[in-house]
Amino acid sequence: QSVLTQPPSVSAAPGQRVTFSCSGSSSNIGIQSVSWYQQLPGAAPKLLIYENNKRPSGIPDRFSGSKSGTSATLGITGLQTGDEADYYCATWDTSLSAWVFGGGTKLTVL
Amino acid sequence: EVQLLESGGDLIQPGGSLRLSCAASGFPFSIYAMSWVRQAPGKGLEWVATIGGLTPTTIYADSVRGRLTISRDNSENTLFLQMNSLRADDTAVYFCAIRAGVAAAGTRYFQNWGRGTLVTVSS
Repeated sequence: QSVLTQPPSVSAAPGQRVTFSCSGSSSNIGIQSVSWYQQLPGAAPKLLIYENNKRPSGIPDRFSGSKSGTSATLGITGLQTGDEADYYCATWDTSLSAWVFGGGTKLTVL
Repeated sequence: EVQLLESGGDLIQPGGSLRLSCAASGFPFSIYAMSWVRQAPGKGLEWVATIGGLTPTTIYADSVRGRLTISRDNSENTLFLQMNSLRADDTAVYFCAIRAGVAAAGTRYFQNWGRGTLVTVSS
C-alpha cells in the first residue's frame, strides 16, 4: 500500500490527451513539491517533471504537471506509442521523514 | 554528460552481505546528495537511502535501517551501498540517483538515474 495513490492503469489513443493523478496528504504533497518519472519497459526511471510543474531540458512541452492541495496531476498531450510506460509520482513525506512514491500508473496507447 | 554506473549486484544467500557501487561522472559529484532507490521484480519504486553532498548526513527507509549503509568517496566520485543481513525481500534492481533540489525548501527530486544493478537474495 503506497503512501501516494495512483490509478494502476490508463489508456488512450494516439494523439489524445491523458492525465495521471497522484493523491497524497498534508504531510507530503500538501507541503512538498512533487516530481514525476517515466519508466519505459526495461529501462531506468527518467525525470519528467520536478517542483510540481517544471520540465528538465530535453523533455517536450507535451508533458505538464500541476499540484492542488494534496493532489498532483501529470498530463501528456499528443500521445505517441513511444509514451507507453509506467509513470510514478514522488515526494518527501515530512511525517515519515522518507521519500514516498506512488504505486505507478501503466499507460497503454491503444 | 551525466553518467551513473552501478555495479556489484549478484545472487546471494539470505543472511549474506554485498556491496554495491555507483561510479559517477559528468557533474560535480561532491556537492550533490545521492540516493539509492530499488525496484523489486514487477513492482514499483522504493526509496532506500540518501546521503548528503558536502555534509554527508544519511537517512534510511525503515525497511533497511540497521542492515544497509550508504556511503560515498568524493575523491573517487563513487557512491556505495553496503548490504548486510540480506533477506529475500531485498531482491530488486538497485538504482543510484542524483538527489537534486533544496531539502529545506521542500523542492527535492531525483534528477538523473543509473541503469541499475540486480540483487537476488535466494538460497
